[in-house]
Amino acid sequence: AQSVSQHNHHVILSEAASLELGCNYSYGGTVNLFWYVQYPGQHLQLLLKYFSGDPLVKGIKGFEAEFIKSKFSFNLRKPSVQWSDTAEYFCAVNTGFQKLVFGTGTRLLVSP
Amino acid sequence: DAGITQSPRHKVTETGTPVTLRCHQTENHRYMYWYRQDPGHGLRLIHYSYGVKDTDKGEVSDGYSVSRSKTEDFLLTLESATSSQTSVYFCAISDLGPTMNTEAFFGQGTRLTVV
Repeated sequence: AQSVSQHNHHVILSEAASLELGCNYSYGGTVNLFWYVQYPGQHLQLLLKYFSGDPLVKGIKGFEAEFIKSKFSFNLRKPSVQWSDTAEYFCAVNTGFQKLVFGTGTRLLVSP
Repeated sequence: DAGITQSPRHKVTETGTPVTLRCHQTENHRYMYWYRQDPGHGLRLIHYSYGVKDTDKGEVSDGYSVSRSKTEDFLLTLESATSSQTSVYFCAISDLGPTMNTEAFFGQGTRLTVV
């Protein structure tokens, strides 16, 4: 069965710092990869997605992620975070059977 | 936002009682999911549906059952609620687009407390 690992459970950054959140998945076949964000008290919203093609994917709000197939990774990056990026971030994998599996999430706190 | 409505939004129930949560969609999407969200565990898939009357178990299905008699409705039932089922429950929907790839859209969540 596929699984998703997010190794950073809590991250604290100052505004303007760079962000990288790790995501690794275990599945040997073709995957669709996602990053979702959950702002306090809200539901999950899609940040970006990878289906095929260019492994560097750009999403909303200046976020990007790179799919590295050899490392089974899909790390999320942002060059300069803002206070409004404080949220919980979830990596997710869909192996094509439409069974979407999530990681445990990373809580990001950006201090002004 | 996608047309997904979860009801109720909040519920407090007693241990041992049955509870049903409803997810209603207006998008005519084929796939529907129920997740629970707990601190330190992220979102864990309980059950999902790939069509009317077609459902499958997720990773934490024990103590839960589901039904989908219409495309638009996906019901989650806790047969006999326990305190360990206190959680926030999210419904999600997805469908296959022209490229056969899709993303999931989430409802607002239901906060369930079992006392």
